[in-house]
Amino acid sequence: QVQLQESGPGLVKPSETLSLTCTVSGGSISSYSWSWIRQPPGKGLEWIGYLDYSGSTNYNPSLKSRVTISPDTSKNQFSLKLSSVTAADTAVYFCARVFNNYFDPWGQGNLVTVSS
Amino acid sequence: EIVLTQSPGTLSLSPGERATLSCRASQSVSSSYLAWYQQKPAQAPRLVIHGASSRATGFPDRFSGSGSGTDFTLTISRLEPEDFAVYYCQQYGSSMYTFGQGTKLEIK
Repeated sequence: QVQLQESGPGLVKPSETLSLTCTVSGGSISSYSWSWIRQPPGKGLEWIGYLDYSGSTNYNPSLKSRVTISPDTSKNQFSLKLSSVTAADTAVYFCARVFNNYFDPWGQGNLVTVSS
Repeated sequence: EIVLTQSPGTLSLSPGERATLSCRASQSVSSSYLAWYQQKPAQAPRLVIHGASSRATGFPDRFSGSGSGTDFTLTISRLEPEDFAVYYCQQYGSSMYTFGQGTKLEIK
């Protein structure tokens, strides 16, 4: 079955760019759609953006000016870049497969702290 | 943006009792695009219900979903110890996904 694993630095400085990668196993990223979702410590879930099987993207309007999601089909991965980060971007970042507009399965999550 | 409001914020029940969790949308949501997730501490959310009433793989039939339009419900008929967690509803509409703020189901 499809499995996802996030990877990337756990600490990013304010004003810099957060970069995470999601590695997919058990299925091709070209066959499904994918999303990034985040969860600040002790808070709820926020959808960040979406990458479909053709490479098209759609982002949360609240983050759109700072977000890029892109595929790497050669590695069966997709990535998240979030620019100009502040402490408000501190969160656990999850990647997930999008299936019929719900999220299943999810990766285990990657905590990213924004601090100098 | 469609806002989802979950109630109650916290639900304190005992094993064996029935849990009823509510998710209300600020405007009508297609039932096909309403899902529920279970999240336990330090774990990723896990899909429980999709399409408002279809149970995901691995969840027993004590979990059920219902509703349409702006009002949706997740019911757990007889709580088991492993059911105590935070539950989130989620919808897709207008090219955007949103989540409710969550209901914490805790042991009384």
